[in-house]
Amino acid sequence: EVELLESGGDFAQPGGSLRLSCAASGFTFSSYAMTWVRQAPGKGLVWVSTISGSGSSTFYADSVKGRFTISRDNSKNLLYLQMNSLRAEDTAVYHCAGHSCSDGICPMDYWGQGTLVTVSS
Amino acid sequence: EIVMTQSPATLSVSPGERATLSCRASRSVSSNLAWYQQKPGQPPRLLIYGASTRATGIPGRFSGSGSGTDFTLTISSLQSEDFAVYYCQQYNSWPPITFGQGTRLEIK
Repeated sequence: EVELLESGGDFAQPGGSLRLSCAASGFTFSSYAMTWVRQAPGKGLVWVSTISGSGSSTFYADSVKGRFTISRDNSKNLLYLQMNSLRAEDTAVYHCAGHSCSDGICPMDYWGQGTLVTVSS
Repeated sequence: EIVMTQSPATLSVSPGERATLSCRASRSVSSNLAWYQQKPGQPPRLLIYGASTRATGIPGRFSGSGSGTDFTLTISSLQSEDFAVYYCQQYNSWPPITFGQGTRLEIK
């Protein structure tokens, strides 16, 4: 059974940092591009970042470019999102999602439950 | 950036009736369009990909159509468990991956 389990969400002050993790199981992790999607309370889905199956290619939304870093450890089936210089508008539930291809040019088949990040002073 | 626009924002339909949800892209996405369902407190679930192919385990009452810029998700004979928010998403031209703003399907 496929499972994506996020962790690391917490309260943070503006300007602070958090590191999110996503533990994957039940599929060949290295064959799947992985994406972080966020959802502010009561709002819609917003793409944050994607990493290719090998980890050699990364992509970011303009709103997080230069502040967030996506990475993965295929030996441990783990996906990460390092979040620096946090802003109030980064407050959201962050979902990790798996694409059924290595380059991301395909839909997101698998989704995690999400982890809540709250940025407030 | 390709902008995805969904209509209507809210759709009220009675159980057993048909629901038709629309999604329009600001430029062609070919057939690289997915639909997701999201219920409160749950992550999105992939329903349709390639504009018209049902994902694994999705009931036959869900169908997708369209190509280019105009797409439709149809749910025939609505069941109680179908009342949720539905999002379209293009994966033809990215970054950025873009979602529509969602259509809330509510019980009439």
